[in-house]
Amino acid sequence: DQQVKQNSPSLSVQEGRISILNCDYTNSMFDYFLWYKKYPAEGPTFLISISSIKDKNEDGRFTVFLNKSAKHLSLHIVPSQPGDSAVYFCAACYGGSQGNLIFGKGTKLSVKP
Amino acid sequence: EAGVAQSPRYKIIEKRQSVAFWCNPISGHATLYWYQQILGQGPKLLIQFQNNGVVDDSQLPKDRFSAERLKGVDSTLKIQPAKLEDSAVYLCASSLRLNEQFFGPGTRLTVL
Repeated sequence: DQQVKQNSPSLSVQEGRISILNCDYTNSMFDYFLWYKKYPAEGPTFLISISSIKDKNEDGRFTVFLNKSAKHLSLHIVPSQPGDSAVYFCAACYGGSQGNLIFGKGTKLSVKP
Repeated sequence: EAGVAQSPRYKIIEKRQSVAFWCNPISGHATLYWYQQILGQGPKLLIQFQNNGVVDDSQLPKDRFSAERLKGVDSTLKIQPAKLEDSAVYLCASSLRLNEQFFGPGTRLTVL
């Protein structure tokens, strides 16, 4: 049973436009959410995170929104750049999990010039 | 600051053979993780160490997989004997604080 779901395997957007990547979760114990970015042949790199006490966190071009009632979070990238083309993983954990991250399957973002 | 190092980067073996992967975490990081990432899936935790003690190995197939972290620094993950379904990328990560994991480049294992 998948606790973290990324239902869109791929997304294609034009350079300069907004990219919106979505993630749903089922475990109400999750209280911390992260987004990782992964280029081919490299390990995932941390992008941005959000605690369940917040509903928005912003870092430059990247903003994560959390809707706890819907158990949904999204990553917005504005403006999108070709270098943002990568696989994006949503991950979640909770206070008692010792940092054990549960990952979604990922969404491959392609930003076209 | 040097990142998480892993070797080898690629490994091809036949089923029933054994294989070992090595990980050197970021200096000073007490927590070390091994993940398995099958093609098309997200990483799945296999085992987590705090210094040289195991915190969580609930998803490690202990009949064939083993891991150790001697002296609380480097770690090795072993598979013996390998099965076709073990073909995956094996990722090592380390962290100083919970929820901040830094990943290595991974080892891509192909079992024929």
